[in-house]
Amino acid sequence: SQTIHQWPATLVQPVGSPLSLECTVEGTSNPNLYWYRQAAGRGLQLLFYSIGIGQISSEVPQNLSASRPQDRQFILSSKKLLLSDSGFYLCAWSGNRGGGYTFGSGTRLTVV
Amino acid sequence: QKEVEQNSGPLSVPEGAIASLNCTYSDRVSQSFFWYRQYSGKSPELIMSIYSNGDKEDGRFTAQLNKASQYVSLLIRDSQPSDSATYLCAVNPPQAGTALIFGKGTTLSVSS
Repeated sequence: SQTIHQWPATLVQPVGSPLSLECTVEGTSNPNLYWYRQAAGRGLQLLFYSIGIGQISSEVPQNLSASRPQDRQFILSSKKLLLSDSGFYLCAWSGNRGGGYTFGSGTRLTVV
Repeated sequence: QKEVEQNSGPLSVPEGAIASLNCTYSDRVSQSFFWYRQYSGKSPELIMSIYSNGDKEDGRFTAQLNKASQYVSLLIRDSQPSDSATYLCAVNPPQAGTALIFGKGTTLSVSS
């Protein structure tokens, strides 16, 4: 069966520090991968999605970037965090034929 | 801009009652529709998917789709306190290479 791993679960970072969140999927090949952010009391905001290695689409221009160095690995990064980057970051995957997404357990990021 | 609208709630129902959650979407040609449940502090969990007009039942949950009215609903029969959560509606645009669009969610509270 397919599983998705996301870490760390919580993170407290100072303003201006770098960020790296990692997500991996097991049990499937060539998944579609997604990064969402959920700010407190708000909906899910799509940040990036990828349909293949090296293929990244950005939905929101900001100080975040994403990379997909391997088929089942998706990384969210920032060189310098802002206070507004605080939120609940969720990685998700889906198959190539559509269907719903399966989310990882999420990373709660607090920028102080 | 494609949108998915939900009443934010909270929707309060007594234990054993039927909870009715509603969602409207703006893109008339959308084909796939999903309901997610999100407990406080946790990641969303897919509970129902529906692709054709009509009803789809799974245990105590029934999803209803009316494409002509651009309307999706989720009924929860015999509501339990454990059903208390935020329910997210998601719509899959038909265009290739696009991601699910999520509503902001409806918070359901079931009182015992």
